[in-house]
Amino acid sequence: AQTVTQSQPEMSVQEAETVTLSCTYDTSESDYYLFWYKQPPSRQMILVIRQEAYKQQNATENRFSVNFQKAAKSFSLKISDSQLGDAAMYFCAYRGNSGNTPLVFGKGTRLSVIA
Amino acid sequence: DVKVTQSSRYLVKRTGEKVFLECVQDMDHENMFWYRQDPGLGLRLIYFSYDVKMKEKGDIPEGYSVSREKKERFSLILESASTNQTSMYLCASRAHIVFYEQYFGPGTRLTVT
Repeated sequence: AQTVTQSQPEMSVQEAETVTLSCTYDTSESDYYLFWYKQPPSRQMILVIRQEAYKQQNATENRFSVNFQKAAKSFSLKISDSQLGDAAMYFCAYRGNSGNTPLVFGKGTRLSVIA
Repeated sequence: DVKVTQSSRYLVKRTGEKVFLECVQDMDHENMFWYRQDPGLGLRLIYFSYDVKMKEKGDIPEGYSVSREKKERFSLILESASTNQTSMYLCASRAHIVFYEQYFGPGTRLTVT
């Protein structure tokens, strides 16, 4: 079974600085998809960024980018120019290559942004 | 905009009561999911459904059942609520296509006393 590990339960970053959240996963599949979701306090969970395993290029979405290391099974999220609105729980998630396959989530990292 | 709605944001029930949590999505998604979220444990999958009247057990199905009579609606049922089912419950939906985004509802915080 696939597992996703987020080793940092909590992190903090100064406003305007850069922070990296770690995620590792375990799978025997060669084709899969990886996601980072954000859950702001008392608000709905939303997708931040996604990566197809067959793509070597790291995904980017504005201030958010990933460092995808397939051999190491690592998928970290970098947030540049951190803003107060980035404070949230961040979940790393894995999905295998089947339309019905559920997401497997890590336990999450709570990010605080210090003004 | 995709919308996933849940019937209640907050719910307080007594031990032994039968509890229904409703989830509705408006994007004609095939797949729907129920998760439980607890501090330090992340999101754990209770049940999911990939079609009407179809259901699959997730990681923690004990004490729960589900119903999907219509494509847009997925209900989570606690047959006899217990205090250890006090938690945040999140519903989600997704199209069958594997790379598509999964959309979440706002969550229902259930307290069982």
